[in-house]
Amino acid sequence: QSVLTQPSSASGTPGQRVTISCSGSSSNIGTNTVNWYQQVPGTAPKLLIYRNNQRPSGVPDRISGSQSGTSASLAISGLQSGDEADYYCAAWDGSLNFVLFGGGTKLTVL
Amino acid sequence: VQLVESGGDSIQPGGSLRLSCAASGFTVRNNYMSWVRQAPGKGLQWVAVIYTGDDRYYADATYYADSVKGRFTISRDNFRNTVFLQMNSLRVEDTAVYYCTREQGRQVVTPYFDIWGQGALVTVSS
Repeated sequence: QSVLTQPSSASGTPGQRVTISCSGSSSNIGTNTVNWYQQVPGTAPKLLIYRNNQRPSGVPDRISGSQSGTSASLAISGLQSGDEADYYCAAWDGSLNFVLFGGGTKLTVL
Repeated sequence: VQLVESGGDSIQPGGSLRLSCAASGFTVRNNYMSWVRQAPGKGLQWVAVIYTGDDRYYADATYYADSVKGRFTISRDNFRNTVFLQMNSLRVEDTAVYYCTREQGRQVVTPYFDIWGQGALVTVSS
């Protein structure tokens, strides 16, 4: 069981806005930045958000990240069928001294 | 800019395997490089990191997840621009796709993995 807790699934219809949460503790999200990865089934993960809210080149601005206290969120607006994937949050844990990943959220576009 | 893994295979428990990760478009010596694995149908797990040769205090240092410490060794060949993961005493629970990644941000923020290889499947089974 991951120390970073994500809902196992999320869904939305095309054009909608969906959010995926990631809950941690003071030793990880509470004191360190959060990154998000997107993994389309059968492919390698892709960096989506780093340093809580920064987008790598090529990631559209309809995708955003935020962090508050010991939780973080990923928001995807203008949902598209191509957004159907697994999403993982990640944060450094100062007690464990390595990067933790959340358990992943499977996003379905209805 | 890409990473290409090789060496994945099916092997019996207790066996050894070495994964290779060839980089192009950047120099592995000047970057932090990690391996991240994903068991079938499961989430992501960080496995090991090798520090850049330019790190001010910990040049070339290596660190491991507790679950592989003492059994896995990460290394690199600067001339071949390649990173390796030597895996010994393999267990059934080591079965996973192993991804080679380039890290950014270590020592400053939560390290983020900005380049991923395609993955190498390691299956440990009798």
